[in-house]
Amino acid sequence: GDSVTQMEGPVTLSEEAFLTINCTYTATGYPSLFWYVQYPGEGLQLLLKATKADDKGSNKGFEATYRKETTSFHLEKGSVQVSDSAVYFCALSGDNYGQNFVFGPGTRLSVLP
Amino acid sequence: GAVVSQHPSRVICKSGTSVKIECRSLDFQATTMFWYRQFPKQSLMLMATSNEGSKATYEQGVEKDKFLINHASLTLSTLTVTSAHPEDSSFYICSASLGLGGYQETQYFGPGTRLLVL
Repeated sequence: GDSVTQMEGPVTLSEEAFLTINCTYTATGYPSLFWYVQYPGEGLQLLLKATKADDKGSNKGFEATYRKETTSFHLEKGSVQVSDSAVYFCALSGDNYGQNFVFGPGTRLSVLP
Repeated sequence: GAVVSQHPSRVICKSGTSVKIECRSLDFQATTMFWYRQFPKQSLMLMATSNEGSKATYEQGVEKDKFLINHASLTLSTLTVTSAHPEDSSFYICSASLGLGGYQETQYFGPGTRLLVL
């Protein structure tokens, strides 16, 4: 079945550091790919998404490119802030009706001032 | 747009009582709603998928008599934890999508409900 793998956390960075959180997936067909962010004590918020190969999703300084050849959707940000501290989930939605979301395990990011 | 709310945000109850959690799509009609459970420091676990006007589809291992789901309208789904026990304590999150689920649909998540059963 479909699956999503993320880099193990926690990731601890200093403010203004460069962020990469790796995400790779296994899926048949052409899934859509998503990054969700969960701040402490809250639900998930959609951060960005990409629906086809070579699409780049971007939002709030974060970006990720749908790479079908490497089945990856790595999340990057050039300069992180303390307020970016959260858990980041990579997810995919398959291209068949009735397929559910598949979430990665989440990567906890802590940004220190 | 695409805002999903949950109520209550936090609930504490005694063992043996039932708790109802509401999930509403505020600015769109949600054909499909999903209920997830999240344990501390873990990913989300899908419990069930519900389409308006039909019975929910439960994931393997989820007791449908324990977790009652009602999707009465295109903007409201409820999850009732019946005869709650301490092991039911968790963070429950709902999400909603415009379509039938899957097929590259975006899911929009509620803020979650933290349940503590004493």
